[in-house]
Amino acid sequence: QVPLQESGPGLVKPSETLSLTCTVSRGSISSYYWSWIRQPPGKGLEWIGYIYYSGSTNYNPSLKSRVIISVDTSKNQFSLKLSSVTPADTAVYYCARGPTPVTDDAFDIWGQGTMVTVSS
Amino acid sequence: DIQMTQSPSSLSASVGDRVTITCRASQSVTSYLNWYQQKPGKAPKLLIYAASSLQSGVPSRFSGSGSGTDFILTISSLQPEDFATYYCQQSYSSPRTFGQGTKVEIK
Repeated sequence: QVPLQESGPGLVKPSETLSLTCTVSRGSISSYYWSWIRQPPGKGLEWIGYIYYSGSTNYNPSLKSRVIISVDTSKNQFSLKLSSVTPADTAVYYCARGPTPVTDDAFDIWGQGTMVTVSS
Repeated sequence: DIQMTQSPSSLSASVGDRVTITCRASQSVTSYLNWYQQKPGKAPKLLIYAASSLQSGVPSRFSGSGSGTDFILTISSLQPEDFATYYCQQSYSSPRTFGQGTKVEIK
């Protein structure tokens, strides 16, 4: 069983809101930070933001005006909403555990990623 | 933002070669530097954290060194399964940032 699994639409129209959910299937979501990271096709990695299980968040300033990350501890899930998307938001979106203090704030467990295409 | 610059962007090497990849930060990140390996179509995998600590389950042929602004990832004897793209990432401050990646290809 994959410890982290992303889910959500693979196609989003421009100007709409991208919504993804990450399910933590192994272990509890509690006592950890959880991040979203994306990777445009053929390009590098961009950290989007993280949430603590208690609900406190930290976002990348480059995306902050459009991002909301939330957590549902009863479902062991956390979610990403990215509003007003454009084709530049087309990417593989990963959920990951971290920053994790035991690894000096690295991202130590990753989901397999989900491709999201922004197109009309 | 702290900019992370890796060199080279790509390299060709043979099985058994010693490979080194450099990562430079635009300002000091002390030892808050991590290395990831990514294979095509797969998620990144944490190899090294805190500049030189080997993540559990990672082969000992991988090692990391450095502090401040300059860091090195070394693969002591390249194996067929090591052909991949490697990324450094600073966890010193927000926003967390990654290097652009170094692709290790078969010579």
